[in-house]
Amino acid sequence: GAGVSQSPSNKVTEKGKDVELRCDPISGHTALYWYRQRLGQGLEFLIYFQGNSAPDKSGLPSDRFSAERTGESVSTLTIQRTQQEDSAVYLCASSFGGAPRTQYFGPGTRLTVL
Amino acid sequence: AQTVTQSQPEMSVQEAETVTLSCTYDTSENNYYLFWYKQPPSRQMILVIRQEAYKQQNATENRFSVNFQKAAKSFSLKISDSQLGDTAMYFCAFLSAGGGTASKLTFGTGTRLQVTL
Repeated sequence: GAGVSQSPSNKVTEKGKDVELRCDPISGHTALYWYRQRLGQGLEFLIYFQGNSAPDKSGLPSDRFSAERTGESVSTLTIQRTQQEDSAVYLCASSFGGAPRTQYFGPGTRLTVL
Repeated sequence: AQTVTQSQPEMSVQEAETVTLSCTYDTSENNYYLFWYKQPPSRQMILVIRQEAYKQQNATENRFSVNFQKAAKSFSLKISDSQLGDTAMYFCAFLSAGGGTASKLTFGTGTRLQVTL
């Protein structure tokens, strides 16, 4: 079946602009995660959605970052007033339930803030 | 909070040889899961292998196997008969079994593996 998809694949924006990144999880997966990967580094957790429960936003680095999820489908990660330090690859993952289910990743969106 | 350490930033191995990637972690939990993910230049994170901490038997997936030492908090990945397609970044990751807000993966900084002819 189809895997996790993300769009756009690459996004270049100017400092101060807002950006929206999209994630389509695997069909039937109730849990969805966003991670950030800075150049040459591992992944940092941003936010976690599980069904109708309140999302775990503990990884969001500032109030410029927000995310929404419609039911158990698409999620969007929004970064307002982008800064150069926001440049990174943003990866989305989904799983059939929370831990200990294995998370399956999308190909990521590479964000470049000029 | 959990931490995951990968002390080998880069490694190289010749095709058909065996290589071992190291990973150590720190946690106060008793039930958890450990993973190795592979990230080729395409950026796609691909699950290589998964280990449940309550299982003493080391996980194996074809040419990939782990050496899980729970007391030492060590989780190394062995790749046998290395192939050019194994060239990638390899990340070790920890997942609490607690669920809920503990469902996030904690990653190491990765090991870049180059397989050469």
